[in-house]
Amino acid sequence: DAEITQSPRHKITETGRQVTLACHQTWNHNNMFWYRQDLGHGLRLIHYSYGVQDTNKGEVSDGYSVSRSNTEDLPLTLESAASSQTSVYFCASSSGLAVPNEQFFGPGTRLTVL
Amino acid sequence: QQQVKQSPQSLIVQKGGISIINCAYENTAFDYFPWYQQFPGKGPALLIAIRPDVSEKKEGRFTISFNKSAKQFSLHIMDSQPGDSATYFCAASNAGGTSYGKLTFGQGTILTVHP
Repeated sequence: DAEITQSPRHKITETGRQVTLACHQTWNHNNMFWYRQDLGHGLRLIHYSYGVQDTNKGEVSDGYSVSRSNTEDLPLTLESAASSQTSVYFCASSSGLAVPNEQFFGPGTRLTVL
Repeated sequence: QQQVKQSPQSLIVQKGGISIINCAYENTAFDYFPWYQQFPGKGPALLIAIRPDVSEKKEGRFTISFNKSAKQFSLHIMDSQPGDSATYFCAASNAGGTSYGKLTFGQGTILTVHP
């Protein structure tokens, strides 16, 4: 069955370190998204991509970057982790073939920055 | 503004009762309004969605009511069950516009249904 996976599921890191969170989907979806979830803020969009080599900033993109070298993967990099980036991160994808189209979410990565 | 405001932040309902969660939006270009359900330790999953050409959509015990003039929409869960205990997010997007595919989420509502 097609799916969307995230790794690692849990990560503890130190302030200032570079961290990369992986997202892999097997639906061959064009659209991929990264969100962070914080209590009281819901899900906030970090970066998104409509296809290979396409990346766009979301509402909370400062301190994060993404690259899209193939259809299946959209890794999220925290250039220099800060305590304010402690959160649960979700990756999502959608086909882009219908309007509107459903976003499918991964299981999430819980990141703690000490 | 792209905000979607959701209330209440938490809700406790007895088994068999009606759960009601409300959302309000500002951007009149929004034309797709989904609700997502999230269980602990899982990612959100689409529950039900509505387009503004209808005022209500029902799927089983779940109903979306939509008021275009007030820019508000709500989720009603009839005969609430303990298995409905989850976090619910409303969202909105301009499905066919320049922000195609992007969802703006509300703050979330933690629903607890007591047996």
